[in-house]
Amino acid sequence: AQKVTQAQTEISVVEKEDVTLDCVYETRDTTYYLFWYKQPPSGELVFLIRRNSFDEQNEISGRYSWNFQKSTSSFNFTITASQVVDSAVYFCALTSASGYQKVTFGTGTKLQVIP
Amino acid sequence: NAGVMQNPRHLVRRRGQEARLRCSPMKGHSHVYWYRQLPEEGLKFMVYLQKENIIDESGMPKERFSAEFPKEGPSILRIQQVVRGDSAAYFCASSPSRGQGGDEQYFGPGTRLTVT
Repeated sequence: AQKVTQAQTEISVVEKEDVTLDCVYETRDTTYYLFWYKQPPSGELVFLIRRNSFDEQNEISGRYSWNFQKSTSSFNFTITASQVVDSAVYFCALTSASGYQKVTFGTGTKLQVIP
Repeated sequence: NAGVMQNPRHLVRRRGQEARLRCSPMKGHSHVYWYRQLPEEGLKFMVYLQKENIIDESGMPKERFSAEFPKEGPSILRIQQVVRGDSAAYFCASSPSRGQGGDEQYFGPGTRLTVT
């Protein structure tokens, strides 16, 4: 069985602060994919990143960066110099690389960026 | 290239009525997934369908819920005799024809069902 844990239910930061959202996962699959999605107040799901379990390189995209550590089964997400528009619920998710892609989501972390 | 479309975006039903949620996958996608998001919770897998086939319905409640993806037309998630606990956001996602793990799932905007 797969499981994704996002222990931080809610985080508040002041604008321009850096913030890290934690994600810990469990899976018996040897190959798998990890995702992060953003859900702004409008409710839609916005895809942010997909990471293959073979690739442990960290990734940076603008103010966003992701730290994948297979040894600790973690896939943390950092927002640098946060902005009010970053306020949203962020979901970490996991799917097996074999077979079809039933996605297991974490419960989400609600980020509030205060101006 | 239109994304995944869901309609209606908002649906209000009284207890005991039926709710029908529609999902049109992206062009060329023949795999559809339905997820439910209860208030203040993450998304939970409900059902996975290919054209005319239900592949995995392990996340569907045993009663009142059904799903189909006909050869022509959108996928339909049907909830009969709705109860207040069915109030949630229902998301549809589609993936390319091969549907292999890791392919990005494209999510629709969701249908927000409110049962009064």
